[in-house]
Amino acid sequence: KAGVTQTPRYLIKTRGQQVTLSCSPISGHRSVSWYQQTPGQGLQFLFEYFSETQRNKGNFPGRFSGRQFSNSRSEMNVSTLELGDSALYLCASSLELAGTASLAKNIQYFGAGTRLSVL
Amino acid sequence: AQTVTQSQPEMSVQEAETVTLSCTYDTSESNYYLFWYKQPPSRQMILVIRQEAYKQQNATENRFSVNFQKAAKSFSLKISDSQLGDTAMYFCAFRPRNQFYFGTGTSLTVIP
Repeated sequence: KAGVTQTPRYLIKTRGQQVTLSCSPISGHRSVSWYQQTPGQGLQFLFEYFSETQRNKGNFPGRFSGRQFSNSRSEMNVSTLELGDSALYLCASSLELAGTASLAKNIQYFGAGTRLSVL
Repeated sequence: AQTVTQSQPEMSVQEAETVTLSCTYDTSESNYYLFWYKQPPSRQMILVIRQEAYKQQNATENRFSVNFQKAAKSFSLKISDSQLGDTAMYFCAFRPRNQFYFGTGTSLTVIP
């Protein structure tokens, strides 16, 4: 079974631009979460999608948005890029929504990430 | 607020020795799941071990085991017989009702 696939692996953008990142979850997984990882900050939760609906949201500005398609694939968009948006963006998928099912269905499987550099 | 604290930013251990990574968390919820994830230099995050908060028995996966103290809200990871491939960033995480919460990580280096 294929793992979580994130594209592209690397992106270089300039301030003010916008960017779209893509995530294909493991087949059968319905929940997709997005995280921002920066040195010293660990993983900061952005949002979680389930059945094409945003179910949970972290403390990020509205410039960060996402969506999920009927096949569970998800995209994340960042508009008006700032230098501080430079980070590794990780996508994770799980069988079910957080807290609604057994432990096994709550395990998140991560993609390799997209490294975004904002110049 | 729900938080996860990993107080050891960096640690090192000699190959074949045992090392313990600490993790504490704060939550008012009674039911949640706990995890340790490993992120090797190649970046792919991998699940190491998991624990259900309502189970008193500590989880074990081969050389990896946890010491779960629910009252103290502590969830430490013990790695026995450390191997060079254990060199990685380790993240403690817990998942209550709504989302995952991760610590800032502990960078572990296994020295040959």
